[in-house]
Amino acid sequence: QSALTQPASVSGSPGQSITISCTGTNSDIGGNDYVSWYQQHPGKAPKLIIYEVTNRPSGVPNRFSGSKSGNTASLTISGLQADDEADYFCSSSRSSTLLIGGGTKLSVL
Amino acid sequence: QVQLVQSGAEVKRPGASVRVSCKASGYSFTSYEIYWLRQAPGQGLEWMGWVNPNTGNTGYAEKFQGRVTMTRDNSIRTAYMELSRLSSEDTATYYCARNYGYNELQFWGQGTLVTVSS
Repeated sequence: QSALTQPASVSGSPGQSITISCTGTNSDIGGNDYVSWYQQHPGKAPKLIIYEVTNRPSGVPNRFSGSKSGNTASLTISGLQADDEADYFCSSSRSSTLLIGGGTKLSVL
Repeated sequence: QVQLVQSGAEVKRPGASVRVSCKASGYSFTSYEIYWLRQAPGQGLEWMGWVNPNTGNTGYAEKFQGRVTMTRDNSIRTAYMELSRLSSEDTATYYCARNYGYNELQFWGQGTLVTVSS
């Protein structure tokens, strides 16, 4: 059981927006701004898409955005595209430990 | 460009040890930590620990304490992860990754499949 809780799956249609939540505690998500999100396509290594809650690495489309409220972080993907279908993982830190959510499978219907 | 290239797939017997390597290029090797994570088939990511190539300092997830060793050889820009006393539950793809600033993992190796089977 992961320390960070994500929904197992979400779905949306092309062009729509979806939000994936990631719930922790005030010792991790609620206690710092080191929340990251990763996208993983089948058989591939994860890709960093959001870091420090809201920042996007170079090359990541602005359709991907992050936010945080209390102990819950969220990833929003707007203008869904077929290629967004993938697994998404959140991460945060607690002391010197890296916590990772159980992952959310996004289906683009 | 930054690249992390991992060693090839391994098949091990229960009780054995495995060492996975991660060769870095395209940046100052001693300036960033190397993290190790694993992913069992069909499962999520699991953080195992990190090694600081500059100091050799390490930090391990409690689950792997006493069974994992992370080292580096700066002369060949390579980090290593050794896991001992393997069981079938250790069958997974093992990844190395480099942090961006703090613990954001921006660059990843291609993954190394370790299969533990009798």
